[in-house]
Amino acid sequence: QLVLTQSPSASASLGASVKLTCTLSSGHSTYTIAWHQQRPQKGPRYLMSISSDGSHLKGDVVPDRFSGSSSGAERYLTISNLQSEDEADYYCQTWGADIWVFGGGTKLTVL
Amino acid sequence: QLQLQESGPGLVKPSETLSLTCTVSSGSISTTSYYWGWIRQPPGKGLEWIGNVYYIGRTFHNPSLKSRVTMSVDTSKNQFSLRVSSVTAADTAVYYCARVVRAGIIDYFDHWGQGVLVTVSS
Repeated sequence: QLVLTQSPSASASLGASVKLTCTLSSGHSTYTIAWHQQRPQKGPRYLMSISSDGSHLKGDVVPDRFSGSSSGAERYLTISNLQSEDEADYYCQTWGADIWVFGGGTKLTVL
Repeated sequence: QLQLQESGPGLVKPSETLSLTCTVSSGSISTTSYYWGWIRQPPGKGLEWIGNVYYIGRTFHNPSLKSRVTMSVDTSKNQFSLRVSSVTAADTAVYYCARVVRAGIIDYFDHWGQGVLVTVSS
């Protein structure tokens, strides 16, 4: 079964960097995923997709501070120089066999 | 800039049918490059995929909801719709419509509506 696992929460200081992780279930380690940001009381926004080789495709007007990488079954979203507006929920998403799946989301707090 | 806007009743009674429409502007729904999707988010919880529809009417469903969900497309109005039957309080959520990019190695949601809260209550 295709499942995405995320830590429920993360925190980092203003101006620092943070790396969020999305883990693909066994047997699905080559899958590409997408990251979405959801600020408080707002709808989600597509950030980027990340493939198994680490290549990524960003959405419109996504700052360079956001980058993606990959290792094995893990897909990462790194946010550098954290800003207050980066405080949000971050969801990973993938697709397989005509089923679309979301991870449980990570709540990022900027200290 | 593509825009999606959900519309429909904000309050539905238990056992009745929830009906929502998504209007797409600044882009055609009749394209082979995209699907059109529905996602929901119960209060304080994460995102749950409901299903997608293609402009020719082909549908894809979340297996957990398939028996209660109907989706359709009206290309003349550039709209697509969602119906969820026999609703209960567990269907209370913010419902989002979104565009799904058919990218081959991953089909992903790249544009989202602002969402509409639907409450199931008598």
